[in-house]
Amino acid sequence: ETGVTQTPRHLVMGMTNKKSLKCEQHLGHNAMYWYKQSAKKPLELMFVYNFKEQTENNSVPSRFSPECPNSSHLFLHLHTLQPEDSALYLCASSQDVGVAFVYEQYFGPGTRLTVT
Amino acid sequence: GENVEQHPSTLSVQEGDSAVIKCTYSDSASNYFPWYKQELGKRPQLIIDIRSNVGEKKDQRIAVTLNKTAKHFSLHITETQPEDSAVYFCAASREGNNAGNMLTFGGGTRLMVKP
Repeated sequence: ETGVTQTPRHLVMGMTNKKSLKCEQHLGHNAMYWYKQSAKKPLELMFVYNFKEQTENNSVPSRFSPECPNSSHLFLHLHTLQPEDSALYLCASSQDVGVAFVYEQYFGPGTRLTVT
Repeated sequence: GENVEQHPSTLSVQEGDSAVIKCTYSDSASNYFPWYKQELGKRPQLIIDIRSNVGEKKDQRIAVTLNKTAKHFSLHITETQPEDSAVYFCAASREGNNAGNMLTFGGGTRLMVKP
């Protein structure tokens, strides 16, 4: 596969469950991002990783736990979520976080999460 | 932090007409402004961007204008076609400070082009 892939594409989980979202990029990029897309806030940055190091945590609750084992893979571990966490979770990647130049972000197709 | 407001939230035009979407930003240090298009059920994709050293940029039927003094920028689509129907997002960031890719997005505009 090319570009940015995400699995699963759809996920339904109860509030006491633990699940993980996976993102993989095949573009040779060094920066990866998690976004939340909902009706209230259409594109909200959650986390940023550059060369496997977390560089941004946009005040995200601790029930969301990111992991970046290498520059090609990004996970979002979920536990004890709330119904208001139901949303589309988008992963993106870019060449790097843009020290002097902003690079285009390439998005994955997203995981549609429903918390019951 | 940065705050980006986008208007209108929905826009309906006839095929062939022009469409204009406007965004305002709050951080005067922002200097990079991309626009992303998200078709129904698909991922957002960059369509055009502008940096603060220019006032206008064109790419075929789309153009973006920037007014740094007023802190607003706009997307212009001419000769609209049904395939232009999508949600458009503006964004702002501060390029050159090791956080250029920390984009703050506007609320989105749903554009509908009627055939």
